[in-house]
Amino acid sequence: GAGVSQSPSNKVTEKGKDVELRCDPISGHTALYWYRQSLGQGLEFLIYFQGNSAPDKSGLPSDRFSAERTGGSVSTLTIQRTQQEDSAVYLCASSLTTGGLGQPQHFGDGTRLSIL
Amino acid sequence: AQSVTQLGSHVSVSEGALVLLRCNYSSSVPPYLFWYVQYPNQGLQLLLKYTSAATLVKGINGFEAEFKKSETSFHLTKPSAHMSDAAEYFCAVKRGSQGNLIFGKGTKLSVKP
Repeated sequence: GAGVSQSPSNKVTEKGKDVELRCDPISGHTALYWYRQSLGQGLEFLIYFQGNSAPDKSGLPSDRFSAERTGGSVSTLTIQRTQQEDSAVYLCASSLTTGGLGQPQHFGDGTRLSIL
Repeated sequence: AQSVTQLGSHVSVSEGALVLLRCNYSSSVPPYLFWYVQYPNQGLQLLLKYTSAATLVKGINGFEAEFKKSETSFHLTKPSAHMSDAAEYFCAVKRGSQGNLIFGKGTKLSVKP
């Protein structure tokens, strides 16, 4: 079946530009997560959506980062006024929330963001 | 607060040898623990998970992990390494009941012919 889909797979942009990264979760998964993976910091949590509840934004590194999830499905992560330290791989994951508390998260292949 | 520590950023084994990747966790509540594998330019793939049903957990590709509460460990093992096992492995603990994963720094496994 279809997994988590992320686009674009690669994005190169100039410092100061805004970027939008898209995540299409597995159908029926109500939980959606964004993570950032960089050489210096490893895998870091950014934001978490659960159904219609207010998102958990506790991992967003600055107010330049925001995300939305429309209709409980597709999510967009937006980075405004990009900086070189934003260069990283941005991973999206989704999971079920029924059937027990240990539901695993399923990851997309990520968007590799490079800021020039 | 919950956390995960992976001992050894790089492990090298010979093909056919035992693979042992170490993970220790810190959690004030019964943890949900996961091992993921990442191949180059790909996302993370679930290897196995611990959710308190059994202390010895079997996963895909011949991997297994044992939950030891007394040692706060969840080490990943495979009896016989294969070249295709070369990848980076991440141990993770789930924050709270439905929250995000907290990852270790990862261990890169190399397999020598």
